Amino acid sequence: DAKTTQPNSMESNEEEPVHLPCNHSTISGTDYIHWYRQLPSQGPEYVIHGLTSNVNNRMASLAIAEDRKSSTLILHRATLRDAAVYYCILRRFGNEKLTFGTGTRLTIIP
Amino acid sequence: EPEVTQTPSHQVTQMGQEVILRCVPISNHLYFYWYRQILGQKVEFLVSFYNNEISEKSEIFDDQFSVERPDGSNFTLKIRSTKLEDSAMYFCASSDSRGPGNTIYFGEGSWLTVV
Repeated sequence: DAKTTQPNSMESNEEEPVHLPCNHSTISGTDYIHWYRQLPSQGPEYVIHGLTSNVNNRMASLAIAEDRKSSTLILHRATLRDAAVYYCILRRFGNEKLTFGTGTRLTIIP
Repeated sequence: EPEVTQTPSHQVTQMGQEVILRCVPISNHLYFYWYRQILGQKVEFLVSFYNNEISEKSEIFDDQFSVERPDGSNFTLKIRSTKLEDSAMYFCASSDSRGPGNTIYFGEGSWLTVV
């Protein structure tokens, strides 16, 4: 299975944009890139996903590199509620379960 | 917004006892999952369930675990004889479709403590 690499932790100031990177250099052509987050003492929460093109939704944007070997989750204006562990996960046909790594722990500074 | 609900939120049980964790998936969803997270560790896949049968299970999901959809709304995880190492947060999840582009929705979890 293709693996992802994320920084263990990041900090950001409240009300500023946050760019969370993810490397997936062994990604295959049919792997979808998913982002989930887990707030303290809560279940994982879907954030966004994409295949090749950049994606936007009400929570975030996903920027996918042209070679698909990396992606960046963008929170446009961080709030204290965005403090969570963010997971970048690859999924493919035939192995569709979510395989969580250690993710990036995002701290928001008031 | 529809959500996955789980009960109980927290259960303490004696080692060797049977435990049933209950989940109500989102109403129009057909695919159901259990994951667990031992304190301080990663979220781990246990089992997926569709059309009244297990579609995939992990190595963790051994003979002491079972899942059931006893009626049209509930989805349960049974641990037959609990061990200390079963202490964890158990998350139920559901989705309306298969495929790597689908979205899986998680509940808030049931915290199981085995003493």
